[in-house]
Amino acid sequence: QKEVEQDPGPLSVPEGAIVSLNCTYSNSAFQYFMWYRQYSRKGPELLMYTYSSGNKEDGRFTAQVDKSSKYISLFIRDSQPSDSATYLCAMEAGFQKLVFGTGTRLLVSP
Amino acid sequence: EAGVAQSPRYKIIEKRQSVAFWCNPISGHATLYWYQQILGQGPKLLIQFQNNGVVDDSQLPKDRFSAERLKGVDSTLKIQPAKLEDSAVYLCASSPPTENYEQYFGPGTRLTVT
Repeated sequence: QKEVEQDPGPLSVPEGAIVSLNCTYSNSAFQYFMWYRQYSRKGPELLMYTYSSGNKEDGRFTAQVDKSSKYISLFIRDSQPSDSATYLCAMEAGFQKLVFGTGTRLLVSP
Repeated sequence: EAGVAQSPRYKIIEKRQSVAFWCNPISGHATLYWYQQILGQGPKLLIQFQNNGVVDDSQLPKDRFSAERLKGVDSTLKIQPAKLEDSAVYLCASSPPTENYEQYFGPGTRLTVT
């Protein structure tokens, strides 16, 4: 079993839709949870991070962490074609070491 | 603020050849990371430096991969000899002294081994 599981997609949605991206994990020691966005042929860029359980909102993006279920989510409201990218979840495994999911490819059509 | 710089952006070599990648982190970032990202997968940590010391190299294939960070600033990652399965994007990232879970990535070097 991988430490972090993420559906690779692709996930295709029309512009304006609400997008839900998810990851599950197995290591209960993870404390920091991050979402990175990666455009084609670019490096990942940090979108949001949360510490422990709870919700965090930043504009159209909301990150949720449920440590009891070992499940994290990223919601994108009013999705735009410019949101088309691969979304990677990542978790801090101590000493600033990140463990990444495989990434979910999102396609938002106009 | 300038981002993480990497070069070259693309490299094509034959198996058994050697190759080196260069990374210059964001100024003031003490921690530097090298990741390998195979197509369709998430980045996998190869090595982590704190200043010029190695913090974690547990997933670095040390029989063929080496990395150094002299003077605690820029870094090089070398593969010698390369194998077909080394074809991947090699990403460099750095993080600030505080809030080290925030990692800033460079554009990566796309390596193709034929």
